[in-house]
Amino acid sequence: NAGVMQNPRHLVRRRGQEARLRCSPMKGHSHVYWYRQLPEEGLKFMVYLQKENIIDESGMPKERFSAEFPKEGPSILRIQQVVRGDSAAYFCASSPDYPPDHEQFFGPGTRLTVL
Amino acid sequence: KQEVTQIPAALSVPEGENLVLNCSFTDSAIYNLQWFRQDPGKGLTSLLLIQSSQREQTSGRLNASLDKSSGRSTLYIAASQPGDSATYLCAVSKLSGGGADGLTFGKGTHLIIQP
Repeated sequence: NAGVMQNPRHLVRRRGQEARLRCSPMKGHSHVYWYRQLPEEGLKFMVYLQKENIIDESGMPKERFSAEFPKEGPSILRIQQVVRGDSAAYFCASSPDYPPDHEQFFGPGTRLTVL
Repeated sequence: KQEVTQIPAALSVPEGENLVLNCSFTDSAIYNLQWFRQDPGKGLTSLLLIQSSQREQTSGRLNASLDKSSGRSTLYIAASQPGDSATYLCAVSKLSGGGADGLTFGKGTHLIIQP
């Protein structure tokens, strides 16, 4: 069973461009979580999704950020009109329905650099 | 609002020593607690998960304990090795919707094992 996959691993964007980060959860996992790790700061929760539904987006910035987890395909974290402060490592995690201990397994992350 | 604190922030010990990493959380209404390790520039590797109803979990040289009522967890590493050098992260979740909520992380303990 392949682990959580994220791509790209590194992404460089200029201010004002859009960034799309992709996450493929582990096989059989229907829960996806996105986290952001800013330089010198801890990991912060952004959004929790199940197939086609956003369960909790309390950690998501109100503007420019959106996330989806369609019925088919990977989960996408989209950042519009990126600014330098968006430079960070973005991690995706997934967990299964069973066993119901909701252990989260993390991907390798996407490191976004905004020039 | 849940807050997670990890002490110490950094630790350097000679190879072979046993050591304890500490984690405390402010809201005892947790669903589970996970310990992770993060190597520089890498993703997170799940080490141990403790359900709120459990007191401890063991995996190899690692043992994690949980005292939910006092809001504390410890990670015990026996017979430390240079390969154990990494940042160790503690994270807690609470139950919400159909699964566990996003994790709240501490800032980590940066561990160096001297050969």
